[in-house]
Amino acid sequence: KNQVEQSPQSLIILEGKNCTLQCNYTVSPFSNLRWYKQDTGRGPVSLTIMTFSENTKSNGRYTATLDADTKQSSLHITASQLSDSASYICVVSSTSYTSGTYKYIFGTGTRLKVLA
Amino acid sequence: DGGITQSPKYLFRKEGQNVTLSCEQNLNHDAMYWYRQDPGQGLRLIYYSQIVNDFQKGDIAEGYSVSREKKESFPLTVTSAQKNPTAFYLCASSIRGRDTEAFFGQGTRLTVV
Repeated sequence: KNQVEQSPQSLIILEGKNCTLQCNYTVSPFSNLRWYKQDTGRGPVSLTIMTFSENTKSNGRYTATLDADTKQSSLHITASQLSDSASYICVVSSTSYTSGTYKYIFGTGTRLKVLA
Repeated sequence: DGGITQSPKYLFRKEGQNVTLSCEQNLNHDAMYWYRQDPGQGLRLIYYSQIVNDFQKGDIAEGYSVSREKKESFPLTVTSAQKNPTAFYLCASSIRGRDTEAFFGQGTRLTVV
């Protein structure tokens, strides 16, 4: 069964501190992995995309890693800001080349709260 | 500005009534999707459409219906057959094909009263 699991469920950190969010997946066939940021009551916005051959990708203070062998990804946030308070969702894309269909499998998200 | 727009942002419905959620995009995307988001759960796919006049059921299609008469529009109707319709609904679109990013609207929060 295709699944994406994220940990922790929630996290509270002080402004200026770093944190790391985890994503484990059992999705086959694997196409790519994205991290989205979702502010409360808003739609998710893409932060990074990782393909099978990529190990690390950065977007400002956000750095994503991917280990395709262990099927794990992490999102590291450096020098957190109050505006980083949001849910972070890991999404794995799966493409069937024989049928031409593709789908997105969503994790349940990690809710991050940054305190002043 | 290109984007995907959902309306209304908040919607209240009486039990037994049908209600339609609007989703419009001007990104020239072929594929559009409807997801439902509940607390503590990942987004679940309701319906998707990869081309005009064609759509497919997702994982939780029961009690919902859609239409795709125009490329830009993909309205979702929540029918009275949906037993637990109170949720946050998200519409997304993407370029048809693999390895493409889904762009999301701002969501509609539906509450049944």
